[in-house]
Amino acid sequence: DAGITQSPRHKVTETGTPVTLRCHQTENHRYMYWYRQDPGHGLRLIHYSYGVKDTDKGEVSDGYSVSRSKTEDFLLTLESATSSQTSVYFCAISAPGQGYEGYTFGSGTRLTVV
Amino acid sequence: GENVEQHPSTLSVQEGDSAVIKCTYSDSASNYFPWYKQELGKGPQLIIDIRSNVGEKKDQRIAVTLNKTAKHFSLHITETQPEDSAVYFCAASINTGNQFYFGTGTSLTVIP
Repeated sequence: DAGITQSPRHKVTETGTPVTLRCHQTENHRYMYWYRQDPGHGLRLIHYSYGVKDTDKGEVSDGYSVSRSKTEDFLLTLESATSSQTSVYFCAISAPGQGYEGYTFGSGTRLTVV
Repeated sequence: GENVEQHPSTLSVQEGDSAVIKCTYSDSASNYFPWYKQELGKGPQLIIDIRSNVGEKKDQRIAVTLNKTAKHFSLHITETQPEDSAVYFCAASINTGNQFYFGTGTSLTVIP
């Protein structure tokens, strides 16, 4: 997906270990989001950011933290991974008011917690 | 918060036929309704969107309709092609730039 990259694309980690996922954008969009996608649940918002150092919780934020020290980077951290956090994680960006109301999604990170 | 329901969960159509996916939302304050297409192994991609001050919007073979009174909106794909096979998600938002509430997805299969 042009302008937005996620890393890593795949990760397997053990229960109890910390994990950080990275989202990087080159579009200079103000808003960035982290969603998780699970069968039967669609996409659910974990956290989002509306500017550097400005973040807020979504509907499934427990067990996750985020940081945004630069416009282009939004990090998602699982402090102590659990099996329930096995999922596909998507980052998205948007710029409402600049003609980019709809999200642009990254390609996703498939995380498996064993 | 907003609750978005999407039906059907799976849909199979013959190539050339039309496909319709329906979504309902609960919060009358929602004013922006995008639709996304997700192909296997990829992130969702915006295909069309509609605002609450518009009843219908078309883009080639794709159209979206909105009924604010009934709080439902639908995606219509005409003359379906095998490359339309994917998972489609609807979403609703009260203020663009904030949280989107997504439906649970419809897996569309177009049979050649």
